[in-house]
Amino acid sequence: GNSVTQMEGPVTLSEEAFLTINCTYTATGYPSLFWYVQYPGEGLQLLLKATKADDKGSNKGFEATYRKETTSFHLEKGSVQVSDSAVYFCALSGGATNKLIFGTGTLLAVQP
Amino acid sequence: GAVVSQHPSWVICKSGTSVKIECRSLDFQATTMFWYRQFPKQSLMLMATSNEGSKATYEQGVEKDKFLINHASLTLSTLTVTSAHPEDSSFYICSARGPGGQETQYFGPGTRLLVL
Repeated sequence: GNSVTQMEGPVTLSEEAFLTINCTYTATGYPSLFWYVQYPGEGLQLLLKATKADDKGSNKGFEATYRKETTSFHLEKGSVQVSDSAVYFCALSGGATNKLIFGTGTLLAVQP
Repeated sequence: GAVVSQHPSWVICKSGTSVKIECRSLDFQATTMFWYRQFPKQSLMLMATSNEGSKATYEQGVEKDKFLINHASLTLSTLTVTSAHPEDSSFYICSARGPGGQETQYFGPGTRLLVL
């Protein structure tokens, strides 16, 4: 079945450091891929998405490219801020039901 | 746009009582809503898919008599945890399939349930 694997956290970075959170997936067909962010005490917010191979999703300085050849959707940001501290979830949606399947989440802690 | 609200944001109840959680799409109509459960430091687990005007579809292992779902209108779905026990304590999150595309879901802020 479909699944998502993302790197375990926590990831601790200093402000202005470069961020990469790895995400790989297993799916039949051509799923859509998502990154959601959950700030402390809040619900999930859609950060970015990509619906087909080679698409790049971007938002708030974050980027992720849909790589079908490596079945990956790694999240990157060139310069993180303290306010980026949150849990980041990679997810895919596909098949007849379009259910979202989430990875386990990666906690990012950015220190000033 | 595409805002989803949940009420209450947190609830404490005694074991054996029932708790109702509401999920509303505030500025769009949602024929499909989803209910998730999130344990501390873990991912979201889909409990059920709620379709307006029809019965909910439950994931394997989720007791439909324990977690009653009603989706009576295009903007409201409710989850009732019946005869709650301490092991039902969790963070419950709803989402609604919204205007961003068939595969895009918009999430509510979640409801934290503590059963004593």
